[in-house]
Amino acid sequence: AQKITQTQPGMFVQEKEAVTLDCTYDTSDQSYGLFWYKQPSSGEMIFLIYQGSYDEQNATEGRYSLNFQKARKSANLVISASQLGDSAMYFCAMREGRGGNNRKLIWGLGTSLAVNP
Amino acid sequence: DTAVSQTPKYLVTQMGNDKSIKCEQNLGHDTMYWYKQDSKKFLKIMFSYNNKELIINETVPNRFSPKSPDKAHLNLHINSLELGDSAVYFCASSHSRESKNEKLFFGSGTQLSVL
Repeated sequence: AQKITQTQPGMFVQEKEAVTLDCTYDTSDQSYGLFWYKQPSSGEMIFLIYQGSYDEQNATEGRYSLNFQKARKSANLVISASQLGDSAMYFCAMREGRGGNNRKLIWGLGTSLAVNP
Repeated sequence: DTAVSQTPKYLVTQMGNDKSIKCEQNLGHDTMYWYKQDSKKFLKIMFSYNNKELIINETVPNRFSPKSPDKAHLNLHINSLELGDSAVYFCASSHSRESKNEKLFFGSGTQLSVL
């Protein structure tokens, strides 16, 4: 079973509007971390935001915020006031708290976001 | 200064050749990784090294051999290249492998095309 599910292969948003990119995860751990990365067409992977499973507040980084609903196992990324430069692939990832040496990031398949002028 | 740099950015080669991709990080991180991103954009970890020690070795053909001369460098050598090896290969690093909140810093990727 997939551990990270991003159900939206592609999304469109109008410039200056807000958009939510969905991410659900599956883990039996109590301790885990959730990440969002952005990959523009130039190809590099850019870290956006992190949420720990024990964090009481939703993470925010500038125009990015994470809508963390632990009971639903969802960690949706909210981008406010979309800009043309936000057009990119967005990846959700999780690292579980246990696993010792093998504590690797588990990645979703990504959501392609297009911002329309 | 580029934090994680990998070379070359593009690599076009014939089937059967041997090629290497180099990676260096100047962040002082202990852990480095190689990822493969296929044409559908799926990211799959290949290897991870911590202080020159191999700690993750996914099911990767043994034609792929990582080498870490020191903790700032992790190179990837590929023997007898096949068409299916065509992908983007990313190097990444993180401060350590201990914490669940360790974020990865990525290189800009190497687009490998095997003809």
